Amino acid sequence: DVKVTQSSRYLVKRTGEKVFLECVQDMDHENMFWYRQDPGLGLRLIYFSYDVKMKEKGDIPEGYSVSREKKERFSLILESASTNQTSMYLCASSAVDSNQPQHFGDGTRLSIL
Amino acid sequence: QQPVQSPQAVILREGEDAVINCSSSKALYSVHWYRQKHGEAPVFLMILLKGGEQKGHEKISASFNEKKQQSSLYLTASQLSYSGTYFCGTLAPGNKLTFGGGTRVLVKP
Repeated sequence: DVKVTQSSRYLVKRTGEKVFLECVQDMDHENMFWYRQDPGLGLRLIYFSYDVKMKEKGDIPEGYSVSREKKERFSLILESASTNQTSMYLCASSAVDSNQPQHFGDGTRLSIL
Repeated sequence: QQPVQSPQAVILREGEDAVINCSSSKALYSVHWYRQKHGEAPVFLMILLKGGEQKGHEKISASFNEKKQQSSLYLTASQLSYSGTYFCGTLAPGNKLTFGGGTRVLVKP
């Protein structure tokens, strides 16, 4: 089974802090994704990576950046956390074909105070 | 632009049927369905490619009408384990998978 592991289930940070969310997958998948999940809004794509050091902006990239130095690891960075970034963050991975299923991690519930 | 899911929520008794709809304003390559149980990761159910095919997973099936850019998910003879939030994801040419707002399903004994 594919395993996508997110480093924290719950995280509390202060406004203005730099925040790192880590995600690791064990299936040698080319594609990795970061989503934000808010009630009624579903899953919104923040950033997408299709290869090491390659990234593309999703629908809501403002205030975020990403890093993919190794194939199995994809990091989401909040450069200067703000209260409106309080949310559930989900990481996913998939094989290169867009019609392959995405496999999700359990999510990180991030609170910015 | 996100696909629109309806209804937003549905409550069922065990054994009842329900339909969840997913509509897009764009021409689609495929529609993907996921289910997320409370406190858990979303789990892939099925992918429907253009061609109007139907697929099934347990007693959950789906159809895809590419001309109308719509997909429907059918929960037949619902079980308690079907409770959760269902998301459709649509894949259009030149785009990444885009998810709808979700439909919350509660199946009661």
